[in-house]
Amino acid sequence: EVQLLESGGGLVQPGGSLRLSCAASEFTFSSYAMSWVRQAPGKGLEWVSGIIGSGGSTYYADSVKGRFTISRDNSKNTLYLQMNSLRAEDTAVYYCAKERRSSVGSCYHDYWGQGTLVTVSS
Amino acid sequence: DIQMTQSPSSLSASVGDRVTITCRASQSISSYLNWYQQTPGKAPKLLIYAASSLQSGVPSRFSGSGSGTDFTLTISNLQPEDFATYYCQQSYSSWTFGQGTKVEMK
Repeated sequence: EVQLLESGGGLVQPGGSLRLSCAASEFTFSSYAMSWVRQAPGKGLEWVSGIIGSGGSTYYADSVKGRFTISRDNSKNTLYLQMNSLRAEDTAVYYCAKERRSSVGSCYHDYWGQGTLVTVSS
Repeated sequence: DIQMTQSPSSLSASVGDRVTITCRASQSISSYLNWYQQTPGKAPKLLIYAASSLQSGVPSRFSGSGSGTDFTLTISNLQPEDFATYYCQQSYSSWTFGQGTKVEMK
C-alpha cells in the first residue's frame, strides 16, 4: 500500500523558515509527480506546489511563489518543501499528495499523507 | 485562474437519503474534475476522478457526472460513514478546489 509520511512541521515566528519532508514508499517514486496541498484551520483545501517525477519542472501557487521551494530526492524517495519568509496566513496542515494521470489525460491526487501542522505565530 | 464554486455549502440528510452536490467551474474544464471526501482530522480521500470514474475501493453508491462547467457528485443510499465534507477539484489549468460541502446528519 502506498505510504506518504510528512514531517517537519511546528511553530515558527513570522519571517522564519521551515522545511517539510514527505517520505514515500511502496511505489516507484521517481515516476510520479507530487504536490503539496495545505488546509488552514477550519478552511478548505489549497494547492501549494507541484513537481514532476524527474524534478525538472516545478509549479507554485501565486500565494507562495518566491517564498516556497519544492524539491525531491528520488534516491531517498523523499519530497521537500522549503518555506521561507513565513506569514501568519501560511498557518495550515500541509499534505503531500501523489499525482496520477487518467487515461483521458486529466490528473488527480490518488494518495495523500496524514499531514503536518505548521503554525506561524510570535 | 479557474474558480470552482460548490453548492450547497452544507446540507442535512438522513441515512438512506440520496444526496447531490454540484460544482461549477468559471470556464470549461472538459472532464478534468475530481471529487474528494474529508472527515475531521483526516486527509482527503479520492472518490471520483475525470468527472465520472470511480476510484478503486470506493463504494458504488458514489457517482459523478458532468463536463464543461457543470458537475455533480451523487451519493445514493447515504451511509453513516458518508457524513463528511466533500470537495471538487479541477486539474485543467493548475489545480483549484471548491470551497467544500459539509454533509451533516439531520
